[in-house]
Amino acid sequence: NAGVTQTPKFQVLKTGQSMTLQCAQDMNHNSMYWYRQDPGMGLRLIYYSASEGTTDKGEVPNGYNVSRLNKREFSLRLESAAPSQTSVYFCASKEGSGTEAFFGQGTRLTVV
Amino acid sequence: GNSVTQMEGPVTLSEEAFLTINCTYTATGYPSLFWYVQYPGEGLQLLLKATKADDKGSNKGFEATYRKETTSFHLEKGSVQVSDSAVYFCGIRETSGSRLTFGEGTQLTVNP
Repeated sequence: NAGVTQTPKFQVLKTGQSMTLQCAQDMNHNSMYWYRQDPGMGLRLIYYSASEGTTDKGEVPNGYNVSRLNKREFSLRLESAAPSQTSVYFCASKEGSGTEAFFGQGTRLTVV
Repeated sequence: GNSVTQMEGPVTLSEEAFLTINCTYTATGYPSLFWYVQYPGEGLQLLLKATKADDKGSNKGFEATYRKETTSFHLEKGSVQVSDSAVYFCGIRETSGSRLTFGEGTQLTVNP
């Protein structure tokens, strides 16, 4: 049971570099989410996708873009990384009508 | 929009002590409420949930009751164990739609 798979697990970027965080789920869920977790700030929603073909901004979307490539995959892109984007990023998915979200293991990103 | 406020941590208890972690929310309508737990180095896992007023969610000795009159969903456990040491997140799902919002998280440490 793979569940929600995130890649990479760790990444170090230089300021100004770009990268894409990948997320895939094998549970046929409609909704997918990207969160960032920072000390003292908890989990903050960056973007979410209620269903294939739709995306919506969360609390902290600035500096990020997303693509819901298909039902399985939801990627998060940093076009020009900044040190303020140093964080742990979590992807999650859930069935539209249910309440339980399943989370990936996280990507630890450091921007120097 | 929806918001969740958790009691500030960290919380340190001795084994077999009683645990309460407070959670209050702001939302319109009748949101679903839940508690997630994050063990070190892992993603979040659903601990318990409640979908309507006066519902009590329970799992692994933890309980929380959906109190609409006080807009609260406090987490309790009668006797904590060392293995309960983790970060606990209170969360809310909006009445209509898929957006999931979490509180800041509360770090719990249980000492033997």
